[in-house]
Amino acid sequence: SAVISQKPSRDICQRGTSLTIQCQVDSQVTMMFWYRQQPGQSLTLIATANQGSEATYESGFVIDKFPISRPNLTFSTLTVSNMSPEDSSIYLCSGDRGTDTQYFGPGTRLTVL
Amino acid sequence: TQLLEQSPQFLSIQEGENLTVYCNSSSVFSSLQWYRQEPGEGPVLLVTVVTGGEVKKLKRLTFQFGDARKDSSLHITAAQPGDTGLYLCAGKSTGNQFYFGTGTSLTVIP
Repeated sequence: SAVISQKPSRDICQRGTSLTIQCQVDSQVTMMFWYRQQPGQSLTLIATANQGSEATYESGFVIDKFPISRPNLTFSTLTVSNMSPEDSSIYLCSGDRGTDTQYFGPGTRLTVL
Repeated sequence: TQLLEQSPQFLSIQEGENLTVYCNSSSVFSSLQWYRQEPGEGPVLLVTVVTGGEVKKLKRLTFQFGDARKDSSLHITAAQPGDTGLYLCAGKSTGNQFYFGTGTSLTVIP
């Protein structure tokens, strides 16, 4: 298994500011993903974080709004830029070793005022 | 984005009852996972099914992957309050992305 931690666990931010969420895995994973989830609802894939290259974004998500970094096999960041109240959500990262098993972090609960 | 529809969306049952959750798609997946998520936590993997027609059992939980690898079901026997949570299916595409189902919120009443 893999243990994934995220920082911060929650934050309250002002409209127009940016927040960077960190995701740390305790061991190397092949793939890392970022998701968004409204409480009690399903997960929407934002992007695949690729080591050493630009992330692969899903339809409806763009790099300018959600820049992602992945400098190595155990760490990734997601920035939510120029936030608006519509960005209030839970942001989750996950890691996969290519074995059809995803391990999730506990999530970052973001509230934008 | 590949859509996976789960039914029912909400389910509230008494302890000891049986239930089945369905996950349906028009897309074929190389594998399909079921997760359970509790409030304030990330989803936790329950099972992965890979082969069409495959059936896996995990104590009181039985998972089945459709023959065409487009759908799946989760059956819980004699539900317990500890089974309460959000159940999510997720299909793995040929591009190695995971697409999650719409979710089923289960409440088991003691």
